[in-house]
Amino acid sequence: QVQLQESGPGLVKPSETLSLTCAVSGYSISSGNYWGWIRQPPGKGLEWIANIYHSGSTYYNTSLKSRVTISVDTSKNQFSLKLSSVTAADTAVYYCASFEGYAAYWGQGTLVTVSS
Amino acid sequence: DIVMTQSPDSLAVSLGERATINCKSSQSLLYSSNSKNYLAWFQQKPGQPPKLLISWASTRESGVPDRFSGSGSGTDFTLTINSLQAEDVAVYYCQQYYNTPALTFGGGTKVEIK
Repeated sequence: QVQLQESGPGLVKPSETLSLTCAVSGYSISSGNYWGWIRQPPGKGLEWIANIYHSGSTYYNTSLKSRVTISVDTSKNQFSLKLSSVTAADTAVYYCASFEGYAAYWGQGTLVTVSS
Repeated sequence: DIVMTQSPDSLAVSLGERATINCKSSQSLLYSSNSKNYLAWFQQKPGQPPKLLISWASTRESGVPDRFSGSGSGTDFTLTINSLQAEDVAVYYCQQYYNTPALTFGGGTKVEIK
C-alpha cells in the first residue's frame, strides 16, 4: 500500500516561496507512476498543480506554470513542490498524491497559510 | 484544458433514498482504442483527503459499498448512491484523466441528509 506524507512550513509570507516535500513509503518512486500535487483552498474545490514522472518529466497546470517547480529525489523516495511569489490566494491544504491516471493514493494534506 | 462541470452544487436526500450526481466534460473522455472512459469519482469527508470510489467511469474500488455506482460515457457521467446512509454525507468530485498527466476536477457536489 502506497503511503504519502507531506511536510513543510505551515506559514509563508506573501511574495516568498512555498516549499513542500512528500515522502513516499510502500512503493519505490523509481518503479513508475506519476507523482504530484493537488491543493484545496479552505471551503473550496480541488485544483491539480503539477505531476512528475519517475524519469523527471514534468507537467504543470497552465494557470500556475510560471510559478511552480516540481522535482523528484529517487534516492530519498520523495518529491517536492516549490511555488514562488505566493499571495493569500495560495492559502490552501496541499495534498501530494500518486497517480495511475486518476489520483489513486493521497497524503493527509498540509495546510499552508500565506500571511505576513 | 478539459473543463469538468458538476451538478447540482448540493443536494439533500432522505436516508434510504437515492442520490444522483452529474458530471459533464467539455470534451469526450472516451478513448476509442480501448473503449474506456477516463473518469474517476471521489468522496471527501471533512478534514480528510479525497477517497477514490470509482475509476474508468464505472469500476468500483475494492471496499467501496455496492450502493455506489458510476455510469455514463463520452461527456456525460453520473454517480448514483442507492439507499443513502448517514456515513455518505460528504462532498463528491469527478476527475478526468483523459489528458493525463494533466488533470482536472469538477467543482464538487455536497450531499446532505434531508
